[in-house]
Amino acid sequence: NAGVTQTPKFQVLKTGQSMTLQCAQDMNHEYMSWYRQDPGMGLRLIHYSVGAGITDQGEVPNGYNVSRSTTEDFPLRLLSAAPSQTSVYFCASKWWNGELFFGEGSRLTVL
Amino acid sequence: KQEVTQIPAALSVPEGENLVLNCSFTDSAIYNLQWFRQDPGKGLTSLLLIQSSQREQTSGRLNASLDKSSGRSTLYIAASQPGDSATYLCAVRAANQFYFGTGTSLTVIP
Repeated sequence: NAGVTQTPKFQVLKTGQSMTLQCAQDMNHEYMSWYRQDPGMGLRLIHYSVGAGITDQGEVPNGYNVSRSTTEDFPLRLLSAAPSQTSVYFCASKWWNGELFFGEGSRLTVL
Repeated sequence: KQEVTQIPAALSVPEGENLVLNCSFTDSAIYNLQWFRQDPGKGLTSLLLIQSSQREQTSGRLNASLDKSSGRSTLYIAASQPGDSATYLCAVRAANQFYFGTGTSLTVIP
């Protein structure tokens, strides 16, 4: 099993550009989620999904969009990137017992 | 809103020492608590998961305890090694949302 796979690992954008961070898991987990990690602020939940076709907002959803068309994939879209979205983004999925598994992260810089 | 706090923010110990990391949370209505390890530039690796009905979990040199009523968890690391140097984070689960502390950065000095 590859676990949770995130692409790209690094990305530089200009203000106003759009992009999609990809997340895929091969553990057949129903629950998937996106976090951002900023210095001194810990991980904050952006969006999550409890199954295909079902998504919901977390603590910091503004400026981000998600969809869940399959169990395996949960992409995160930045519609118009802003410097405040410079961060490290993590995707995580949850096993039936509640245990979270994380990807390696995607480091995004918005100029 | 659930608040999770980890104190101290940084800790430095000599190799071989036993140590305790602390995690506190404000709302005791949690499903579980999970401890993670994060190495620089890497993702989070799960160490231990404690369900709300449990008091502790052990894995090798690691032991995590949970006192839900007082909103506290501790991670005990026995006989610390330089390879244990990393940031340790705790997270609590409430329904479909997880809340993280900001972590304790541990340095084990050879």
